[in-house]
Amino acid sequence: GIQVEQSPPDLILQEGANSTLRCNFSDSVNNLQWFHQNPWGQLINLFYIPSGTKQNGRLSATTVATERYSLLYISSSQTTDSGVYFCAVGGKGAGSYQLTFGKGTKLSVIP
Amino acid sequence: SAVISQKPSRDICQRGTSLTIQCQVDSQVTMMFWYRQQPGQSLTLIATANQGSEATYESGFVIDKFPISRPNLTFSTLTVSNMSPEDSSIYLCSVQRGRDTEAFFGQGTRLTVV
Repeated sequence: GIQVEQSPPDLILQEGANSTLRCNFSDSVNNLQWFHQNPWGQLINLFYIPSGTKQNGRLSATTVATERYSLLYISSSQTTDSGVYFCAVGGKGAGSYQLTFGKGTKLSVIP
Repeated sequence: SAVISQKPSRDICQRGTSLTIQCQVDSQVTMMFWYRQQPGQSLTLIATANQGSEATYESGFVIDKFPISRPNLTFSTLTVSNMSPEDSSIYLCSVQRGRDTEAFFGQGTRLTVV
C-alpha cells in the first residue's frame, strides 16, 4: 500500500514563530488531507488538497502531486496551535480510496 | 461537511467484556469507516462499514473481535469484543460522501480497559 512520511516528528516553537510541516507519499493520490488533532483527541479538518495551494487564515497548504509531497505552513503560531498534525492520503487504485495516515508531527507552541 | 455524533465519548471497561460504539451522521453518506488510534500512535483503519452487507476488514482485524453493523446510510456501530488492556485506544468513526472526497471524523471514543 501507499506509504506516508511526515517530518519533523516533533517541533517546538516560540509563540509568534512560523513553521513548515512536510508530508511525502510513495504513489499517486486522488485525496490528500491535513488534520489537526487537539489535546482531547478530536480530528479537525484543515485542508482537503490533492493538488494546488490553499490558504485559511494563518494556515496554508501546498501539494505538488507530481513530486509526491505536501507542505503545511503555520504562520505567527499561537499556543492553541499545539497538538498533532496528520497528513492522510487516498490512492488512485481501485479499492484504495481509504485514507492512509502518516505518523504525524507533534507541535508544541510555548509562550 | 458532515456532523458526526459518536457515543460514548469515553469509557473504562473491565477486561473480558465488550463495548459497542455508535456513530450517527446527520445525513446519508456513502462511505463509513472505523479507525483505531493506539496511545501515541497514528490512525489505523479497522474496516469499511458497508450498508446492508458485511464490513470489509483490513489486515490484522477480524470480525469476531470487531463486529460492525451498518443498518442504513446514517448509522453504524463498532463492537470491541472480549477486551484486553491492549485494546485501550481511541476509536474513531469517519465518513466520506464518495471516493476522493473530504473525510470527516467523529469526536472519538477513548477506551481504557482495566
